Amino acid sequence: DQQVKQNSPSLSVQEGRISILNCDYTNSMFDYFLWYKKYPAEGPTFLISISSIKDKNEDGRFTVFLNKSAKHLSLHIVPSQPGDSAVYFCAASVNRGSTLGRLYFGRGTQLTVWP
Amino acid sequence: DTGVSQDPRHKITKRGQNVTFRCDPISEHNRLYWYRQTLGQGPEFLTYFQNEAQLEKSRLLSDRFSAERPKGSFSTLEIQRTEQGDSAMYLCASSLSSGHNEQFFGPGTRLTVL
Repeated sequence: DQQVKQNSPSLSVQEGRISILNCDYTNSMFDYFLWYKKYPAEGPTFLISISSIKDKNEDGRFTVFLNKSAKHLSLHIVPSQPGDSAVYFCAASVNRGSTLGRLYFGRGTQLTVWP
Repeated sequence: DTGVSQDPRHKITKRGQNVTFRCDPISEHNRLYWYRQTLGQGPEFLTYFQNEAQLEKSRLLSDRFSAERPKGSFSTLEIQRTEQGDSAMYLCASSLSSGHNEQFFGPGTRLTVL
């Protein structure tokens, strides 16, 4: 059962515009959320994270928003650059108890930023 | 390079053979994770160590799979009697046990079972 869902397999955005990647989750026990970026033939690279006690976290061009009531988070990239083209994975974890540590991933969204 | 390293990067084997992969985590990280990723899917958790103790195993980890981290540093993942369904990218990640759960991934080992 997919506890983290990324319903858009792909997104195409023009350079300079905003990219918005979405993620939904079903497990209300998740309390920490992460975004990873993955290029072909490489492992995922950590991008940004957010704790469930916050609703927004910003790091340069990247901002993650969390809506706990809707069990929804999104990653905003502004402005988008061609080098941002990659697969973006949303991940979640429960940072307490016996399952401490394991990440649950969505299936990813392929972002293409065109000039 | 002080990141997570994995060896080999690619492995082609025949069905029924045994394979072993190695992961070297970031040196100060005491948590180490193994994940598997197949085409069109996100990484799926296999198992997790804190220091040398294996704390959790996924039901995905059949009895043909075994992982070790004998000295709390590098880890090995062995697959016995490989099957074509084992073909996947095997990813290793590491993290600190304090603070939040940012896991840092290695480049992965691509396994192809013929």
